[in-house]
Amino acid sequence: SQTIHQWPATLVQPVGSPLSLECTVEGTSNPNLYWYRQAAGRGLQLLFYSVGIGQISSEVPQNLSASRPQDRQFILSSKKLLLSDSGFYLCACQTGGSMGETQYFGPGTRLLVL
Amino acid sequence: AQKITQTQPGMFVQEKEAVTLDCTYDTSDQSYGLFWYKQPSSGEMIFLIYQGSYDEQNATEGRYSLNFQKARKSANLVISASQLGDSAMYFCAMRELPSNTGKLIFGQGTTLQVKP
Repeated sequence: SQTIHQWPATLVQPVGSPLSLECTVEGTSNPNLYWYRQAAGRGLQLLFYSVGIGQISSEVPQNLSASRPQDRQFILSSKKLLLSDSGFYLCACQTGGSMGETQYFGPGTRLLVL
Repeated sequence: AQKITQTQPGMFVQEKEAVTLDCTYDTSDQSYGLFWYKQPSSGEMIFLIYQGSYDEQNATEGRYSLNFQKARKSANLVISASQLGDSAMYFCAMRELPSNTGKLIFGQGTTLQVKP
């Protein structure tokens, strides 16, 4: 079964600074990869997803971007962070495209922008 | 547009009792999938159970069962014999066609607290 790693686990950044969050997956190949953001006590909002290397789909217009340089690596970036970028960022992985295919999640990164 | 609604922000249940967490959904598709995830305080999302729109039987996984009422567009999670470790936030999610992207839409979640 797949294992999803995310780092860093926690990050405190000043407004206007750049951001790079990394997600790597083990135990599977050619997965679909996802970035979600969760505000405190709220549901998950899908930010980006990728069905293959270099293929990124954006769900929400914002100052964040995503890249997939390798099959099992997914990176979330920003050139200049905003206060509203604070939240809990979760990477998820899915192998296969059937309706019932389960998405598995990493441990998440807590980002606080000050 | 598809939507998931969880109307219970917080729930309490006594240890060893059963509890039902509500989830209603809105979709115009005939083919869709419904998922429940558990999020403990650590933050990681843990998959619990899945129900397909064409499944004739309600899904069950150990102490978890899904009360699927298609005509009412509801997919409530039932946890039997609650344990202290069940205290967490619970999310209902839906997937529509095309399923190859795997996109999930999540509800706002229900916080469950199990009392000893």
